Amino acid sequence: GQSLEQPSEVTAVEGAIVQINCTYQTSGFYGLSWYQQHDGGAPTFLSYNALDGLEETGRFSSFLSRSDSYGYLLLQELQMKDSASYFCAAQSGGGADGLTFGKGTHLIIQP
Amino acid sequence: EPEVTQTPSHQVTQMGQEVILRCVPISNHLYFYWYRQILGQKVEFLVSFYNNEISEKSEIFDDQFSVERPDGSNFTLKIRSTKLEDSAMYFCASKLDRGNEKLFFGSGTQLSVL
Repeated sequence: GQSLEQPSEVTAVEGAIVQINCTYQTSGFYGLSWYQQHDGGAPTFLSYNALDGLEETGRFSSFLSRSDSYGYLLLQELQMKDSASYFCAAQSGGGADGLTFGKGTHLIIQP
Repeated sequence: EPEVTQTPSHQVTQMGQEVILRCVPISNHLYFYWYRQILGQKVEFLVSFYNNEISEKSEIFDDQFSVERPDGSNFTLKIRSTKLEDSAMYFCASKLDRGNEKLFFGSGTQLSVL
């Protein structure tokens, strides 16, 4: 089976940088994704890492270390609209394999 | 950007009744999924569908659940005899192909079983 651990809540200030960590234990591992979900909304894809290292997409970056079973999502220049839940999700295989989601991190942005 | 469409947005049903949740995945996508999310909890994988057959299913996806792609456009989830614990938001998702791991989610169907 798979399990992913991430903090339940993180608070940050508008304009700042925040890092959301995710550790995983999996019987098989293919890659780590990050999704954003606003209250009442659908999960929206942010990034995906299959290889070690940093992937950058605008204000958001994601990092993976397969040897440490660890990843993080980095959000820069925080805006109020970034207030949402952020989920890491592990994929155990390629193709049609489903994702196993973490419990999510609720990000609170303060002015 | 293309969208995954789900209907209805809300469904209320009595325990023991059958429900069918409908989804129209993005037209050129090859992989289709159903996930569910109980209020305040994490998103849980139910089933994946590729090449007109189930590819993988979770422990949640028992004999009461079934999926179909009846016409090359729609993708449905049927729950034969609903239970109270089936109450959740059900998300349909699709992705383009193997190696492209961006999953597109629909806006969900909120199922309430009374």
